[in-house]
Amino acid sequence: DTEVTQTPKHLVMGMTNKKSLKCEQHMGHRAMYWYKQKAKKPPELMFVYSYEKLSINESVPSRFSPECPNSSLLNLHLHALQPEDSALYLCASSQGQTDYNEQFFGPGTRLTVL
Amino acid sequence: AQSVAQPEDQVNVAEGNPLTVKCTYSVSGNPYLFWYVQYPNRGLQFLLKYITGDNLVKGSYGFEAEFNKSQTSFHLKKPSALVSDSALYFCAVRDMGSNYQLIWGAGTKLIIKP
Repeated sequence: DTEVTQTPKHLVMGMTNKKSLKCEQHMGHRAMYWYKQKAKKPPELMFVYSYEKLSINESVPSRFSPECPNSSLLNLHLHALQPEDSALYLCASSQGQTDYNEQFFGPGTRLTVL
Repeated sequence: AQSVAQPEDQVNVAEGNPLTVKCTYSVSGNPYLFWYVQYPNRGLQFLLKYITGDNLVKGSYGFEAEFNKSQTSFHLKKPSALVSDSALYFCAVRDMGSNYQLIWGAGTKLIIKP
């Protein structure tokens, strides 16, 4: 299984809502990532988990809260978002954070904040 | 500072013709280079990587890339383009100096015309 899955595919939420994005991989990868991507732009790194511990937080606002319940799952909890947070949110995984291996990306969650 | 440049926002190629998507990089130390492709409304798919060894790297879907150390380039190539190759292509370099994360180029939109 060489797939990263993400749910939901689409999400529309108001600025007062609380929602969560989910990501799953069964490749035995020990590093997992959250990226934010605006249209036709490269992805922007948000968070990195290595061996289920938060390794990198790229100064992301606290309205985004990551969680890694186990080595296969990654969540991104959303609360009090702003319209400018509307974007494609991508999850990725790789064998390790510091090796030379490529990252495998999920299809993304298209988030719209009203 | 490490960086990646994709000098062309868009490349237009006729179906059946060879294609090249350009990428240049600036790193301290050995470069670890990657190409990804993104089809509309999809996540990123890994195409190929250069870590060490042969300067010509072969990847998925008939793509290859040539690593040129003296010109600090890693251009993506394909001998005969298909309409289905139309997509957004990103070059990236691994930041081995600090946090090991990917530094992305701005992306090149490839349009293959029948």
